[in-house]
Amino acid sequence: GDSVTQMEGPVTLSEEAFLTINCTYTATGYPSLFWYVQYPGEGLQLLLKATKADDKGSNKGFEATYRKETTSFHLEKGSVQVSDSAVYFCALSDPEGAQKLVFGQGTRLTINP
Amino acid sequence: DTEVTQTPKHLVMGMTNKKSLKCEQHMGHRAMYWYKQKAKKPPELMFVYSYEKLSINESVPSRFSPECPNSSLLNLHLHALQPEDSALYLCASSQLLYGQGGSDTQYFGPGTRLTVL
Repeated sequence: GDSVTQMEGPVTLSEEAFLTINCTYTATGYPSLFWYVQYPGEGLQLLLKATKADDKGSNKGFEATYRKETTSFHLEKGSVQVSDSAVYFCALSDPEGAQKLVFGQGTRLTINP
Repeated sequence: DTEVTQTPKHLVMGMTNKKSLKCEQHMGHRAMYWYKQKAKKPPELMFVYSYEKLSINESVPSRFSPECPNSSLLNLHLHALQPEDSALYLCASSQLLYGQGGSDTQYFGPGTRLTVL
């Protein structure tokens, strides 16, 4: 079945550091890919998405590129802020199937001032 | 507007109580979802409604009873819960009918933090 693997956390960085959170997937079809962010005590917010190969999703300085050849969707940000501290979930859904979201395990990010 | 609202924000209940969680969306979305999220884990799908009809029940115990009064509202009725049911309950909605196929995006509400004593 479909699956998503994220880099294990927690990840701790200093403010203004470069961020990469790795995400790889396994899917039989051509999934849509998502990054969701969950701030402490809150629900999930859609951060960005990509629906086909080579698409780049971007939002709030975060970017991720749909790489079919490496089955990856790594999240990057050039300069993180303390306010980016949160849990980040990579997820996929299969447009050919029932659109069920398959989540990675989540990566907890802490940014120190 | 991509807002999904949930009430209450927090709920504490005893094992003999009956309570309900509420979810609302006004985006014209056709599918609505209930998820359960335990600490440090991703959300787990519980139920899916498409156009007010239950499409998916992920083998959820009967002490959880979903209801979809109309296409904008989703309730989760709780009865005789156990302490291990304490979790964050998330509602989500998406444009397409569940199982219709096609690229779709789920939008989540802020959740209800449930504590069962």
